[in-house]
Amino acid sequence: SQQGEEDPQALSIQEGENATMNCSYKTSINNLQWYRQNSGRGLVHLILIRSNEREKHSGRLRVTLDTSKKSSSLLITASRAADTASYFCATQNTGNQFYFGTGTSLTVIP
Amino acid sequence: ETGVTQTPRHLVMGMTNKKSLKCEQHLGHNAMYWYKQSAKKPLELMFVYNFKEQTENNSVPSRFSPECPNSSHLFLHLHTLQPEDSALYLCASSQRTSGGISTDTQYFGPGTRLTVL
Repeated sequence: SQQGEEDPQALSIQEGENATMNCSYKTSINNLQWYRQNSGRGLVHLILIRSNEREKHSGRLRVTLDTSKKSSSLLITASRAADTASYFCATQNTGNQFYFGTGTSLTVIP
Repeated sequence: ETGVTQTPRHLVMGMTNKKSLKCEQHLGHNAMYWYKQSAKKPLELMFVYNFKEQTENNSVPSRFSPECPNSSHLFLHLHTLQPEDSALYLCASSQRTSGGISTDTQYFGPGTRLTVL
């Protein structure tokens, strides 16, 4: 399977703490993207990192990409209760195909 | 709102019914997608339309029939479904670039929660 796999499957933290989620994939990619999904809703794009980039920031989000290990991490700093959601990584390969993982369910406790 | 709408939001149907899911995007994108999301499974890409032409059909059973009349509208026609087809069906759109390294960002609709009895 070329699908990404997120780790951990579920994460529960206190408000104000940092949350780190990891994603591993199996094939060469053009880019890797992180999406967020609130319960019962569609996915919302958070951040994209290209295969030639190693780190990217957007507000409280920090994404890293290690193409040699075929892995990425998403760090959410100073978490808030409103960050409670499922987070998915998606890889886009050279054939423009998208592959999503199973997601990490994040709960931020107020 | 992401600019992608889906109707209906919830649908309950029997195995012998015929129904259709509708998706509309207001973003001027040239590609549209149907995904199936089941509990504890990765998001499954079902169909891709690029400039109204179907470019991918990931071994989806024929009881699911897509239709893309124009670049803004996408339908998923359903007939003789099975209970295991119960899931959240998500529509997405993106602007596909031609040539070079593609960096599509997908914009998702809110989904249709389908229950097959």
